[in-house]
Amino acid sequence: GAGVSQSPSNKVTEKGKDVELRCDPISGHTALYWYRQSLGQGLEFLIYFQGNSAPDKSGLPSDRFSAERTGGSVSTLTIQRTQQEDSAVYLCASGSLRTSSYNEQFFGPGTRLTVL
Amino acid sequence: DAKTTQPPSMDCAEGRAANLPCNHSTISGNEYVYWYRQIHSQGPQYIIHGLKNNETNEMASLIITEDRKSSTLILPHATLRDTAVYYCIVRVNNAGNMLTFGGGTRLMVKP
Repeated sequence: GAGVSQSPSNKVTEKGKDVELRCDPISGHTALYWYRQSLGQGLEFLIYFQGNSAPDKSGLPSDRFSAERTGGSVSTLTIQRTQQEDSAVYLCASGSLRTSSYNEQFFGPGTRLTVL
Repeated sequence: DAKTTQPPSMDCAEGRAANLPCNHSTISGNEYVYWYRQIHSQGPQYIIHGLKNNETNEMASLIITEDRKSSTLILPHATLRDTAVYYCIVRVNNAGNMLTFGGGTRLMVKP
C-alpha cells in the first residue's frame, strides 16, 4: 500500500521567505510526527499530532515554525521568514495506535530545504 | 529514556553476518529496545524491536542479553543495500511519543 508521502521533495528558497512543506500520512494512521535532519546530524523532533488531541510542539525551535493537521490526515509544516540555519531535510512520519508497537513509525522520503 | 551507546562505524563483508552491538545499561523494566536504520537520502526505516526475548523477522534478528543491558542486531547475510546508519533506541512502549535518535552505527557492507 501507499506509504508516507511528502512534497515537495526539494525546495530552494531565499532567506526571509516563507515555505510550506506537506505530509500525507498512511491512511488511517492517527499519529503524525515532524522531524528535521541537518547535514550529517541525527534526527531532531519538531512536533507530534495524535488524533484530535492538542499537538506536542515541544520540539519546535522558534515561533517561526508552525504546523497544522487538517481533518486528522494531511499536515503542513510552515516556516516563516526562513533563515539559512533552517536548511535541512524535513521528515514526516506516521503511526497507528492499532499496531502492536506504538513506536513503529513509518517515515516519508523527506523534503530537502535549502535557504540561500 | 535510557541512553544507548553504539560504535560509530563498522564494516562487514557482503554475504557475511553483520552484528551491531548496543549498550543500554540503564534500561528500565518497561523499556523496549528498538532498531531503525537510515539508508542514505532516505527516511529512517523500522527494523525490529523486543523487550527481553530474542526476536526475528524477515529483516533481522535481535538478541537481548539476560540482564537486558545490551543487545545485538544481526543481519544474517549482509548485502550492499544494507549499507546504512543503524540506530538503537530504548523506549517505553507507550502511545505515540517521538523517537530520539542518537548517533547510530554507520555500517559499510563491502564487496
